[in-house]
Amino acid sequence: EAGVTQFPSHSVIEKGQTVTLRCDPISGHDNLYWYRRVMGKEIKFLLHFVKESKQDESGMPNNRFLAERTGGTYSTLKVQPAELEDSGVYFCASSQDPESAYEQYFGPGTRLTVT
Amino acid sequence: SQQGEEDPQALSIQEGENATMNCSYKTSINNLQWYRQNSGRGLVHLILIRSNEREKHSGRLRVTLDTSKKSSSLLITASRAADTASYFCGDRCEGAQKLVFGQGTRLTINP
Repeated sequence: EAGVTQFPSHSVIEKGQTVTLRCDPISGHDNLYWYRRVMGKEIKFLLHFVKESKQDESGMPNNRFLAERTGGTYSTLKVQPAELEDSGVYFCASSQDPESAYEQYFGPGTRLTVT
Repeated sequence: SQQGEEDPQALSIQEGENATMNCSYKTSINNLQWYRQNSGRGLVHLILIRSNEREKHSGRLRVTLDTSKKSSSLLITASRAADTASYFCGDRCEGAQKLVFGQGTRLTINP
């Protein structure tokens, strides 16, 4: 069974440009989460989808970030326009059971570098 | 929600030695977990210790929990080069599905 996949693995963009990250959860997992780790700091939660609905988006830093999950399958996270402080690693995770946050399976992450 | 803080932030040891990493948290915990992140790979769940447990073992891993000091430690015995990674402690945020992590410890095992 394929795990959580993310694309691209690494993206380098200039400040002001737009970048779209993609996450494909494990098949059948209704819950999808986005996290990020910026510059050696802690890993922070961004948002949580249940199917196509945003269950919790309390961690989204500002309106430059837009997450979507049309059809309840894969998800995209768009950053527009990107700023230097957006550099970091963006992780996606999915789970089948919403009551068991411990069963979140993480993807390899996308390393975003904004120059 | 609690936020773990790992200590040290970076640790470099020789292969075969034991590595100890610590995590402190600010509020109460439900179940403290330790994760590993290898370069280019996602977070891998290592071990979970419940708030009513004091010690837990899994292979070469040993985790302790001291709720009075609000701290946990992860011990990796007989370290191997493949243990080189970043290690994080975390917990599920009260009343929510999200996980809350600390800054992590970067562990380097030298051959």
